[in-house]
This record gives sequence, C-alpha cells and structure tokens, in this order.
Amino acid sequence: QVQLQQSGPGLVKPSQTLSLTCGISGDSVSSNSAAWNWIRQSPSGGLEWLGRTYYRSRWYNDYAVSVKSRISVNPDTSKNQFSLQLNSVRPEDTAVYYCARSGDRLSYAFEIWGQGTMVTVSA
Amino acid sequence: QSALTQPASVSGSPGQSITISCTGTSSDVGGYTLVSWYQQHPGKAPKLMLYEDNKRPSGLSNRFSGSKSGNTASLTISGLQADDDADYYCCSYAGSSTWVFGGGTKLTVL
Repeated sequence: QVQLQQSGPGLVKPSQTLSLTCGISGDSVSSNSAAWNWIRQSPSGGLEWLGRTYYRSRWYNDYAVSVKSRISVNPDTSKNQFSLQLNSVRPEDTAVYYCARSGDRLSYAFEIWGQGTMVTVSA
Repeated sequence: QSALTQPASVSGSPGQSITISCTGTSSDVGGYTLVSWYQQHPGKAPKLMLYEDNKRPSGLSNRFSGSKSGNTASLTISGLQADDDADYYCCSYAGSSTWVFGGGTKLTVL
C-alpha cells in the first residue's frame, strides 16, 4: 500500500526558508492519476491546504492564494519524493505540516497522509 | 478563501446519532460535489472518511454518512462508539484547483 514518510527540520528561524521532504513508497511521484499535496495544521487546530504537484504529460503546480508568493512544491523523480519550500517564514507559519496523496480515483480527496512534522518558527 | 464553518463541538452518548454541519458558499461547498470529511485522533494524521459529499472509501464503516443541502454539507455518525471520539474536519474544492477546510469539530462521546 502507499505510504508517505516525511523528513525535515523542526525549527526554522524567522525570514528563513522552511524545507520539508515527503518520500513515497508503493506509488510513483510521476503517476498520471495522483497528486502530491502539502497541508498544515496550526496550533489552534485548523487545517490549511498549501499546494500540490502532479504529472499529466508534464508537471503542474497549484498553490493556495495565502502562500502563493512564498511557496514551491517540487517533485524529485530520482528519489521518488516531493518537497515543500516556504520562504520568508514568520511565527504564524508554526504548524504541523503534512504531506498527502490525492487521486482521481477518489475525486482528489486526501486519501493517504504522512506522519506530520511539527515546525516551529522561532529565533 | 475563508475557512468553512463548523460547530466547535458536538457530543452524544454511545449508540446515539450525531450530525456535524459544514457551511460554505456557492463557490465551494454549494458549487461542487466535492466535499470530503476527515477524522483525526490526538497526535495522529487525519483519516479520510467520506468523499464526493457522501461516498465512503473501501472498508469504512457504513455508520458514517454524508449529505448536502445548498451550501451546507453534513456528516452523520450513527450508533456512536467510544472510538468515534475525535476531531472531524470537512473540506471542499474551492475552484481554481484549490481546496478549503473547515475549522474542525470536536466530537465527545459521553
């Protein structure tokens, strides 16, 4: 079955770049029927979809308006993984970050999730 | 986009039924048949419970059902069990290849 394994630092300084990676097993980042997402959960509990990457003859990206100017989600086909980069972070970016798979089989609901990474933005 | 509106908390006794609402707009909940629901236990990742408003992924209990009227979607859990005690989130496609979540509802099984 598909599994996602997240990695990356848990502490980032304000104004720096948050970088996380999500390793995929049981599927391919280049799948023509899947999309690879990042979602975060603030300390107050709310979930926020951040962005995704997916392959349909070429690579596509979609991003939430709230972070569009600061975010990049990229595939790494050589390692079968994808990454999140969030630039110019501030304390309000402190959250648990999840990677998640969605696909056309379930109308792009988020069917598989990574274990989550708590990221704190603090000097 | 603004988050979808859910009640902060609901409660029920074992064996009872409860309903959690999720209110959006015609640009998200009311505009597409693409509401999904997630269950989250403390310290765990969310788990998909329903998609396309009312469909259950393979293997999910039929005690969980979904419906929608206008801009409000609902999750109903029948025959409440202790393990249903968790947070529940709705999510909707919001157009332009973006998704929006609700603020979450804490279900307490008394």
